[in-house]
Amino acid sequence: DIVMTQTPLSLSVTPGQPASISCKSSQSLLHTDGRTYLYWYLQKPGQSPQILIYEVYGRFSGVADRFSGSGSGTDFTLKISRVEAEDAGVYYCMQGLHFPWTFGQGTKVEFK
Amino acid sequence: EVHLVESGGGLVRPGGSLRLSCAASGFDFTAYWMTWFRQAPGKGLEWVANIKSDGTEKYYVESVRGRFTISRDNAKTSVSLQMNSLRAEDTALYYCTRVPGRAPDFWGQGTLVTVSS
Repeated sequence: DIVMTQTPLSLSVTPGQPASISCKSSQSLLHTDGRTYLYWYLQKPGQSPQILIYEVYGRFSGVADRFSGSGSGTDFTLKISRVEAEDAGVYYCMQGLHFPWTFGQGTKVEFK
Repeated sequence: EVHLVESGGGLVRPGGSLRLSCAASGFDFTAYWMTWFRQAPGKGLEWVANIKSDGTEKYYVESVRGRFTISRDNAKTSVSLQMNSLRAEDTALYYCTRVPGRAPDFWGQGTLVTVSS
């Protein structure tokens, strides 16, 4: 199974400041079709997960442009340019390259 | 607007069975894979099972293979998860999701399954 490792597991942020979450996979997520199957989700308190980023860089419809994804191979990053109060929750990276699809442990973002 | 509504959760004894259902609307159901995920209380997300748009391919996480069966009814735009031989470790909130590629885009609100004596 592909192991997904997120750091940090907890992040205390100040509104208006940037934030960054790292996700590393135990093997490359680059498929032979040229796509990299790495996704980012946010689960706000008491809610279902919602997709933010698909295939490393793609911002899902309706997602604020302060969210951006980057990376390749086994190393990926989610960046929030200016954190807002509504961004609080747990962020997960997920790989869709091979079954079983697997998630990182989650990064809890809280405000100072 | 995409809607996914799960039902069928509840309290069941170890070894028992439960059937979860997910009613889908607001999109062309026949064009999408569908997937069940779960989240144990206070824990992270876990993929459970996938089913292809026409129902011809199904995949399961190792821990449920042979006990759970995913199915779909395209005429009724619904997907189900038959869960047998339930264990305490199957206790979780089960989410139904739509999958346009290799990951879900929309998630239902979930249905809670509790396995306890």
